[in-house]
Amino acid sequence: SQTIHQWPATLVQPVGSPLSLECTVEGTSNPNLYWYRQAAGRGLQLLFYSVGIGQISSEVPQNLSASRPQDRQFILSSKKLLLSDSGFYLCAWSPEEGQPQHFGDGTRLSIL
Amino acid sequence: QKEVEQDPGPLSVPEGAIVSLNCTYSNSAFQYFMWYRQYSRKGPELLMYTYSSGNKEDGRFTAQVDKSSKYISLFIRDSQPSDSATYLCAMINTGGFKTIFGAGTRLFVKA
Repeated sequence: SQTIHQWPATLVQPVGSPLSLECTVEGTSNPNLYWYRQAAGRGLQLLFYSVGIGQISSEVPQNLSASRPQDRQFILSSKKLLLSDSGFYLCAWSPEEGQPQHFGDGTRLSIL
Repeated sequence: QKEVEQDPGPLSVPEGAIVSLNCTYSNSAFQYFMWYRQYSRKGPELLMYTYSSGNKEDGRFTAQVDKSSKYISLFIRDSQPSDSATYLCAMINTGGFKTIFGAGTRLFVKA
């Protein structure tokens, strides 16, 4: 069966510091991969999605970037964190377009 | 107008009650409909997945889609305290890539 791993679960970072969140999927090949941010009471905001290695689409221009160095690895990065980057970050995968997404357990990011 | 509207609640019910959670949507191209359950500090977990109109049952859960009214529902029978969570509806249009999520309804089931 397929599993998705996200780490760390919790992260506290100072303003201006870099960020790297990692997500890996097991048990499938060539998945579609997604990064979301979830703000309290505001639903899921799609940040990036990828249909293959090196193929990244950005939904919201901002302080973040994503990369997909391997088929089942998706990384969310920032060079300099802002206070507004605080939130709950979720990685998800789906086998193909039109199929439901499956989520990891998220990273709660606090910026001080 | 948002593409998907979902009452944020909170909805509080006694144990054993039948719970009805609902979403309305505006895009008639939506063909795939999902319900996710999200516990506090966890990622959403896929509960139900239906295509087009009709009902789908899985244990205590029933998902219902009424495309003519652009309305979907999730019914929970014999609700348990362990059902206390946020429930998100989600939809995908035919040939689309993005999933549109509702904001979620918080449910509390009191023992």
